[in-house]
Amino acid sequence: EVQLVESGGGLVQPGRSLRLSCVGSGFMFDEYAMHWVRQAPGKGLEWVSGISWNSDNSRYADSLEGRLTISRDNAKKSLYLEMNGLRPDDTAVYYCAKDIGPESIDYFDSWGQGTLVTVSS
Amino acid sequence: IQMTQSPSTLSASVGDRVTITCRASQSIGSWLAWYQQKPGKAPKLLIFKASTLESGVPSRFSGSGSGTEFTLTISSLQPDDFATYYCQRYNTFQSTFGQGTKLEIK
Repeated sequence: EVQLVESGGGLVQPGRSLRLSCVGSGFMFDEYAMHWVRQAPGKGLEWVSGISWNSDNSRYADSLEGRLTISRDNAKKSLYLEMNGLRPDDTAVYYCAKDIGPESIDYFDSWGQGTLVTVSS
Repeated sequence: IQMTQSPSTLSASVGDRVTITCRASQSIGSWLAWYQQKPGKAPKLLIFKASTLESGVPSRFSGSGSGTEFTLTISSLQPDDFATYYCQRYNTFQSTFGQGTKLEIK
């Protein structure tokens, strides 16, 4: 059974940085692209970033590029999202999602339970 | 490319047939997926490539369309189907979701 477990969320002050993590199990982590998707309270889903199986290709939402860095460590079966210059409108549940293929361009067949990031002073 | 779902909210009863529409501002071929999300839970994949049912998804769910207009149909609503549904454009540099359609009990 595929499992994705996010961590690293919490309350953070505006302007600060945060690093989210996601650990995958139950599948060959190093064969699939991975993504981050966020959902602000009471709002819809927003794709944030994706990374290919071998880290060669990383993609970011236009509205967020420059403040984010996605990375992965296949040996640790882990996905990361470094967020800088956090703003109150970054407050959201951040989901880790598994792509159905190796490049970060497809749909998502498994999701984690999400980790809540709250940006507030 | 923008993805626009309609309606934003849909009220229906158990046993009803319902249709949700997703429109793309430009042609996206058949590169469309549908997800179901219940409150406090992660989204669940229902359909990919516009009309292919994900394994384990009940056959009362179906998808159709190509180009710029797509539909998700539930043939006979069950109590478990009341949720929010999202379309997603993929096979692109930056994936995009529709704003969601909340399916409520009438």
